[in-house]
Amino acid sequence: DTAVSQTPKYLVTQMGNDKSIKCEQNLGHDTMYWYKQDSKKFLKIMFSYNNKELIINETVPNRFSPKSPDKAHLNLHINSLELGDSAVYFCASSLGGSSQPQHFGDGTRLSIL
Amino acid sequence: KNEVEQSPQNLTAQEGEFITINCSYSVGISALHWLQQHPGGGIVSLFMLSSGKKKHGRLIATINIQEKHSSLHITASHPRDSAVYICAARAGGTSYGKLTFGQGTILTVHP
Repeated sequence: DTAVSQTPKYLVTQMGNDKSIKCEQNLGHDTMYWYKQDSKKFLKIMFSYNNKELIINETVPNRFSPKSPDKAHLNLHINSLELGDSAVYFCASSLGGSSQPQHFGDGTRLSIL
Repeated sequence: KNEVEQSPQNLTAQEGEFITINCSYSVGISALHWLQQHPGGGIVSLFMLSSGKKKHGRLIATINIQEKHSSLHITASHPRDSAVYICAARAGGTSYGKLTFGQGTILTVHP
């Protein structure tokens, strides 16, 4: 059973479109994260939710909007996609904030044409 | 300058060699993570440590809080160890586990 699952795994779309990436975890964790990995493989935190409440919101364009319908799900919606949004997006989860390891999904590779 | 710096950025080794990857950080942390990312892209958490040393199989991670430095060692390296190794500093306090990542070390182990 996949612990942290993201869908889709690959997403190819045109500039200007709106798209969503879904993340679900079955670990019973209460904290979920979205990370962006750029073409140089550098990872950076975007958002974090704890029990459906936004707790980390880094400097991310407001075209990116996370939504957590419950603590097992954290979806990422992106409006008006731009070329610079091409990256791999990773979802992760942990139990509690700073004292537990994070479990990562397999990533969603987003390519903007 | 990145808050978390790794060295080397690229590392090539022959099978069987002892490997060390270093990580220095400038932020206050509650823990230091070592992650492994295989060519397929998935990320696996190897260690989370806040003091001393941890060992899992052929992998050993150490941390020196005073010097703000951590190392990841691989003994008897194998081609299947080829991957990107990433250290990440977990902020303490009320920052709810925010991770700041190093640039990653690309390890290639030749048979």
